[in-house]
Amino acid sequence: DQQVKQNSPSLSVQEGRISILNCDYTNSMFDYFLWYKKYPAEGPTFLISISSIKDKNEDGRFTVFLNKSAKHLSLHIVPSQPGDSAVYFCAASGSHQFYFGTGTSLTVIP
Amino acid sequence: DSGVTQTPKHLITATGQRVTLRCSPRSGDLSVYWYQQSLDQGLQFLIQYYNGEERAKGNILERFSAQQFPDLHSELNLSSLELGDSALYFCASSVGTGTLYGYTFGSGTRLTVV
Repeated sequence: DQQVKQNSPSLSVQEGRISILNCDYTNSMFDYFLWYKKYPAEGPTFLISISSIKDKNEDGRFTVFLNKSAKHLSLHIVPSQPGDSAVYFCAASGSHQFYFGTGTSLTVIP
Repeated sequence: DSGVTQTPKHLITATGQRVTLRCSPRSGDLSVYWYQQSLDQGLQFLIQYYNGEERAKGNILERFSAQQFPDLHSELNLSSLELGDSALYFCASSVGTGTLYGYTFGSGTRLTVV
């Protein structure tokens, strides 16, 4: 039973435009959410997080939005750069572990 | 380099065999987590150790076992291997037992069962 879902396996965006990656979760008890970025042949690396008491967190070009009523999380990358091309995983915290989505592969076209 | 070291990077073995994957956590981290990523699947949590003790268990098969040693490195043992066990196995570490700080992942071990 997948508690965290990323329904878009892939996304292509032109350089300089906005990339929006989406994530849905089912468990309303999740209290902490993260986005990880993964390049080929590397492990996931932490990108940005948000606590359930907030609805937005911004770090440079990256902003995460949380809509608790919809159980929806999104990551906005503005402006998108070719180096952002990677697989992005969202993760939700519950029961002392993280539940990960299946990932969205982002390609930023120069 | 994330500071989490996993060996080997690649492993090819036959069905029915047994393998051991090794993980050295980032310096100062007491918790080690094992995750499995199969094709088109997210990262599936297997097991967590904190300072040598098992802390949480996820979808880990009975054929799989793990331990964390006094020097905090961890090993994941996979036995009676099946084709479906072919996957990327990630180890991650964190300072504490909770999830506040996120995890630091190693680069993974790619296991291929033939």
